[in-house]
Amino acid sequence: DPKIIQKPKYLVAVTGSEKILICEQYLGHNAMYWYRQSAKKPLEFMFSYSYQKLMDNQTASSRFQPQSSKKNHLDLQITALKPDDSATYFCASSHPGTPNSDYTFGSGTRLLVI
Amino acid sequence: AQSVTQPDARVTVSEGASLQLRCKYSYSGTPYLFWYVQYPRQGLQLLLKYYSGDPVVQGVNGFEAEFSKSNSSFHLRKASVHWSDSAVYFCVLSLITGNTGKLIFGLGTTLQVQP
Repeated sequence: DPKIIQKPKYLVAVTGSEKILICEQYLGHNAMYWYRQSAKKPLEFMFSYSYQKLMDNQTASSRFQPQSSKKNHLDLQITALKPDDSATYFCASSHPGTPNSDYTFGSGTRLLVI
Repeated sequence: AQSVTQPDARVTVSEGASLQLRCKYSYSGTPYLFWYVQYPRQGLQLLLKYYSGDPVVQGVNGFEAEFSKSNSSFHLRKASVHWSDSAVYFCVLSLITGNTGKLIFGLGTTLQVQP
């Protein structure tokens, strides 16, 4: 059974629209993250949450807004979508506060903005 | 600034051959390093990790990696590759930021194992 569920797996969106990427984890972790994998770039850290509070935000654009309605959820709302937002978005989780903690990744949401 | 460099974008080896994937990191503190693998259309899976002790760490499926502080390297090795090892391999530096962490990824090395 997948420990981190990301929905949907694939998403096609029109430029200017808004989408929400869903992430739920069943590992009992209290830290959750979003990473983005774009073509020709390394996976980039976007956000980290610990105990449902935003800890770090490396995303320049306010169009990206994480939302944590429950402690095992961290959704990502993206507004005013642009073609450059096309990427695979990975959710991850870990125990907070330890650098050697294992990170578990979801299988990703592949977003295509046309 | 912290960074991870994987100098080989693509490596092709024959099945049964040995493998080394190179990784260099840049970080002034104590490095915590991982290797992750990404199979096609899947998420990332942890292969192995290093944070202290023996510089040679064992991972899953016969993979191992050797940490070298003097060379700032964390190379991944396998004695005999199988076709199912074809995937993208990421070297990753783990940092602590506040009460969470952040992973710094290399660009990845695509491994193709030929029959």
